[in-house]
Amino acid sequence: NAGVMQNPRHLVRRRGQEARLRCSPMKGHSHVYWYRQLPEEGLKFMVYLQKENIIDESGMPKERFSAEFPKEGPSILRIQQVVRGDSAAYFCASSPRSGGANEQFFGPGTRLTVL
Amino acid sequence: QKEVEQNSGPLSVPEGAIASLNCTYSDRGSQSFFWYRQYSGKSPELIMFIYSNGDKEDGRFTAQLNKASQYVSLLIRDSQPSDSATYLCAANTNAGKSTFGDGTTLTVKP
Repeated sequence: NAGVMQNPRHLVRRRGQEARLRCSPMKGHSHVYWYRQLPEEGLKFMVYLQKENIIDESGMPKERFSAEFPKEGPSILRIQQVVRGDSAAYFCASSPRSGGANEQFFGPGTRLTVL
Repeated sequence: QKEVEQNSGPLSVPEGAIASLNCTYSDRGSQSFFWYRQYSGKSPELIMFIYSNGDKEDGRFTAQLNKASQYVSLLIRDSQPSDSATYLCAANTNAGKSTFGDGTTLTVKP
């Protein structure tokens, strides 16, 4: 019974490059959430997706960031033209249901470092 | 005002004592509340969730919810050094989005 999987666990990019972060939800979970955590700070919501749909992207920066959750395969968080301020831990969580009573289970995170 | 606020830490308690962690929320549309534990360098781990006013107990943990006061708390009885971590409070609306507080760091001293 695998949990939420994220890869890579660590990612180093130079300024201007692209970063692709992948998330495979727990088996049976069709709801995926992405969060960003800066050092010594709390989790900040970025985007909520279901299969092939973006439900809420109110936390996503307007430029350079995009997310998808295709019918087949993992959810992808894509950051184009990375800058040093993008350095953070990016966590993905999945849930088996929608609505308020949706306990979320987190993956191990991807730690992005932008040089 | 932050949507979810947690009492500023760090909080230090001796081993065996009760640790009390507090959280307030501003969105009256919040329906369910979650406590996560996060060890340094690790991902958040769900400890408890609560939807109804009152207390909910699970082992050494008790979550308390007061919707009228918009207040949630987590009590940890018989605190152990392994409980030392950052505790995150989260509030969910029916839309499913979770809003997290900044966390309270707990240290349990042997």
